[in-house]
Amino acid sequence: EAQVTQNPRYLITVTGKKLTVTCSQNMNHEYMSWYRQDPGLGLRQIYYSMNVEVTDKGDVPEGYKVSRKEKRNFPLILESPSPNQTSLYFCASTWGETQYFGPGTRLLVL
Amino acid sequence: AQKVTQAQTEISVVEKEDVTLDCVYETRDTTYYLFWYKQPPSGELVFLIRRNSFDEQNEISGRYSWNFQKSTSSFNFTITASQVVDSAVYFCALSEGKAAGNKLTFGGGTRVLVKP
Repeated sequence: EAQVTQNPRYLITVTGKKLTVTCSQNMNHEYMSWYRQDPGLGLRQIYYSMNVEVTDKGDVPEGYKVSRKEKRNFPLILESPSPNQTSLYFCASTWGETQYFGPGTRLLVL
Repeated sequence: AQKVTQAQTEISVVEKEDVTLDCVYETRDTTYYLFWYKQPPSGELVFLIRRNSFDEQNEISGRYSWNFQKSTSSFNFTITASQVVDSAVYFCALSEGKAAGNKLTFGGGTRVLVKP
């Protein structure tokens, strides 16, 4: 079954404690991206990757890092999380111009 | 810059009523893609439809139909004979394709509440 998976689905952490949200797709898609969803601000792109070792900033990249060492995985790294990064995060994988989203990760930074 | 506007923030209907969600977009590109996604209360984003800018054919899928009008930059979505399971937030989105990094620009969403 074609799918995009994210882990963890829910995470509560404290300011400054590094964390990684994993994203994996089993469809051999080249293009992947990360979005965050916030009330009143909607969905905004954080980073995207056109292929292995090719990543670029989206609209709100500050405070985030990504890597794309293999095609199937695109982890989102928060090296020093802050409360303003509390959000719902979505990973997406693109096939034929259509982005398919993972189930989301709810992050609370205290 | 791209922009997507969903003027209706919330619509409440009684089951079996039809509901139309409006979407107006702005882009300078001649090639672009329009989407509708559904976000049920469980939170995931479910892809519903994609429309290419060069294809203005309307589409029907079961109780769902979409009306794409390039002349008015609109891509409206109608749910016919609504059901309680249709209760969700619906997002319209625009992409200018690979040349723009495949970035999706989302509208603010329309919350649909279908009452039994």
